[in-house]
Amino acid sequence: GDSVTQMEGPVTLSEEAFLTINCTYTATGYPSLFWYVQYPGEGLQLLLKATKADDKGSNKGFEATYRKETTSFHLEKGSVQVSDSAVYFCALSDQGAQKLVFGQGTRLTINP
Amino acid sequence: DAGVIQSPRHEVTEMGQEVTLRCKPISGHDYLFWYRQTMMRGLELLIYFNNNVPIDDSGMPEDRFSAKMPNASFSTLKIQPSEPRDSAVYFCASSSGADITDTQYFGPGTRLTVL
Repeated sequence: GDSVTQMEGPVTLSEEAFLTINCTYTATGYPSLFWYVQYPGEGLQLLLKATKADDKGSNKGFEATYRKETTSFHLEKGSVQVSDSAVYFCALSDQGAQKLVFGQGTRLTINP
Repeated sequence: DAGVIQSPRHEVTEMGQEVTLRCKPISGHDYLFWYRQTMMRGLELLIYFNNNVPIDDSGMPEDRFSAKMPNASFSTLKIQPSEPRDSAVYFCASSSGADITDTQYFGPGTRLTVL
């Protein structure tokens, strides 16, 4: 079945550092790809998405590019802030299916 | 919009008791999803509805779990009898369903502890 694999966490960085969280997927069709973020004590929020190969999703300084050839959707940010501390989930939604398949989540902590 | 509303936010119960979790989706959304989040298994989809009809309940762990959506503005997830291994955070989410890439909006979750 479809699956999503994220890099192991937790990840700890200093403020203004460059961030990469790796995400790869396995799917039989042509999925749409998502990054969700979960702040402490809250539900998940959509951060960005991409619906076809080579699309780039971006929001709040975060970016991710849909790479079909490497089945990847890595999350990047050039300069992280303390407020970016959260758990980040990569997910896919296969064609014709409404349900999301999530990765295991990566906990990010940014120190001042 | 008020967003997805879940109640209660926290529930502590004893093994064997019945537990009912409630969800009010965003008005106008046609899809409703129930997820469970644990440290060991991550985020799992339990069941989802379209226009109040259950579409896929393959993620429901066993017969002790049941979910209903009697109308477009309300859904329940019931566990009877509850067991300690059911302790988790349960999320409800909704989406408009106009496109499969439509955003799912999550509620704040219900943290369930079964003693």
